[in-house]
Amino acid sequence: NAGVTQTPKFQVLKTGQSMTLQCAQDMNHEYMSWYRQDPGMGLRLIHYSVGAGITDQGEVPNGYNVSRSTTEDFPLRLLSAAPSQTSVYFCASRRQAEGPYEQYFGPGTRLTVT
Amino acid sequence: AQKITQTQPGMFVQEKEAVTLDCTYDTSDPSYGLFWYKQPSSGEMIFLIYQGSYDQQNATEGRYSLNFQKARKSANLVISASQLGDSAMYFCAMREGPNSGYSTLTFGKGTMLLVSP
Repeated sequence: NAGVTQTPKFQVLKTGQSMTLQCAQDMNHEYMSWYRQDPGMGLRLIHYSVGAGITDQGEVPNGYNVSRSTTEDFPLRLLSAAPSQTSVYFCASRRQAEGPYEQYFGPGTRLTVT
Repeated sequence: AQKITQTQPGMFVQEKEAVTLDCTYDTSDPSYGLFWYKQPSSGEMIFLIYQGSYDQQNATEGRYSLNFQKARKSANLVISASQLGDSAMYFCAMREGPNSGYSTLTFGKGTMLLVSP
């Protein structure tokens, strides 16, 4: 049971390049989400999904796309990277049921856009 | 208005002492959940403790307890007998609504705790 995995761990992009951050979980969680963490800002929600084929925007969705074709995977796509997207990105998942079910986080991807 | 407010950017405590990290929240939803996460310097997010809005008692998990004052909308984390390994960033987060459907987590900006020998 690997939990939530993210690849890559580190990435440097040039402005205008595109890339996909990968996220996978093996806990059969319905709910998955992407956050970005910037100094002094806490974690801010980018996009989330409540199941395969269903996604929605969070607080800071501009410049990012997501899709959810399987329960396990939830990739985050940067279409045209900008320096403002330099951040640490966390993927998380949880059960979607009544109760104190916490989110499990991946180890994060540190992205630098030059 | 911010939904989660952590007013202490940094806190210092000596080893073996207790420390309280403050968190206030803002919601009009009667059903919500409050979480605390720890982020050590290695970067991973570690779940510590959860309090539901309808829970009658304050949550406890080992050395962690949550001082839940519903009328004041506060959910302070208390760490008893601090250890050097407690040095980390601590985040308070809130889920509005029941844990189903489209309920999401909103995080505070965090408090950096440093434990000295």
